[in-house]
Amino acid sequence: GAVVSQHPSRVICKSGTSVKIECRSLDFQATTMFWYRQFPKQSLMLMATSNEGSKATYEQGVEKDKFLINHASLTLSTLTVTSAHPEDSSFYICSAPGTSGSDAGELFFGEGSRLTVL
Amino acid sequence: DAKTTQPPSMDCAEGRAANLPCNHSTISGNEYVYWYRQIHSQGPQYIIHGLKNNETNEMASLIITEDRKSSTLILPHATLRDTAVYYCIVRPRRTGNQFYFGTGTSLTVIP
Repeated sequence: GAVVSQHPSRVICKSGTSVKIECRSLDFQATTMFWYRQFPKQSLMLMATSNEGSKATYEQGVEKDKFLINHASLTLSTLTVTSAHPEDSSFYICSAPGTSGSDAGELFFGEGSRLTVL
Repeated sequence: DAKTTQPPSMDCAEGRAANLPCNHSTISGNEYVYWYRQIHSQGPQYIIHGLKNNETNEMASLIITEDRKSSTLILPHATLRDTAVYYCIVRPRRTGNQFYFGTGTSLTVIP
């Protein structure tokens, strides 16, 4: 199957700073990527759909100015948590759909990025 | 907006079959049933998917009822490494469609 990679896997930052998380599709092109957030002992919550070359689509209740998404190429999407606060501490996971053959329709996930805001 | 219902937790003895149920009574004709699992602090891992026929791969089997309103994921010989949260998701098999996760089933395999 296809491979999606996230970086960094862990990040600790001070309150008020911004943090960027990268999501790359390593062996396939992804015109669409999805960003999820997961709090401890909870399920994955879809935050937004990242679209290559156009604006991201945010789920209801997700602040687009707080969580900036850029999908500048067919293999890279970035999520920037702006002016992070302790309540933004979470596990952020990106994913991209397979596009060909048996991968089509399947969703491939990155390893996740754990953000801790002090 | 999750459209599935799963039991919150289950236990299974190591070496035995783990049968994880999922209800999806409002599934549409073009929606597939997908199963993923998430081991602690990792990204979800694809297991299997199906439309209406039963499916089997090297990881698991998927049994879908004839009316497609429920399904069961079967891990034939559970190991300790199968301890994870298992998510059942229904969605059309189109690239751009989102996956919405429900609460999943936390499976604990007991030695």
